Amino acid sequence: DTEVTQTPKHLVMGMTNKKSLKCEQHMGHRAMYWYKQKAKKPPELMFVYSYEKLSINESVPSRFSPECPNSSLLNLHLHALQPEDSALYLCASSQMEGNEQFFGPGTRLTVL
Amino acid sequence: GNSVTQMEGPVTLSEEAFLTINCTYTATGYPSLFWYVQYPGEGLQLLLKATKADDKGSNKGFEATYRKETTSFHLEKGSVQVSDSAVYFCALSDGKTSYDKVIFGPGTSLSVIP
Repeated sequence: DTEVTQTPKHLVMGMTNKKSLKCEQHMGHRAMYWYKQKAKKPPELMFVYSYEKLSINESVPSRFSPECPNSSLLNLHLHALQPEDSALYLCASSQMEGNEQFFGPGTRLTVL
Repeated sequence: GNSVTQMEGPVTLSEEAFLTINCTYTATGYPSLFWYVQYPGEGLQLLLKATKADDKGSNKGFEATYRKETTSFHLEKGSVQVSDSAVYFCALSDGKTSYDKVIFGPGTSLSVIP
């Protein structure tokens, strides 16, 4: 299995809703990532988990809350989002030490 | 800090034309270099990579050579197809930490017309 899966594919939520994005990989990778991508822009790193511990938080607002329940799963909990948070949210994983990242297909999030 | 510069386009080519997308980087040490491709409505896919100077990455007819003397990693394809229409991101990773913090270029949008 060489893919990263993400659910849901699309999500529409109001500013008062709480929702979660899910990412899963079964490649034995020990690093997992959340990115935010706006249209026609490169992905922006949000969080990095290394060996199930949060290694990097790129000054992301607290309305985004990551969670890594085990080495295969990565969640992103969303609460009180703003319309400007509408974007494609990408998950990725990699082996340690200098290997490429494998990306999932993304969740297209719309905040109304 | 590390950075990646690439031509932003958009680039429009006719089918079977030759493609070059320029990419230059700034980094300390010896980063790994990547080209990722993003087809419309999809996530990013690794297209090719090179991990040391003079390495040539190749995949699906695309090639790029790691040139340390010019700090470049230009993407080329001899004959593009309509199915190559996508956004191409040049990227680097310094690999100094226990995970990959990848620095992406701004992306180049390619449209291939029949």
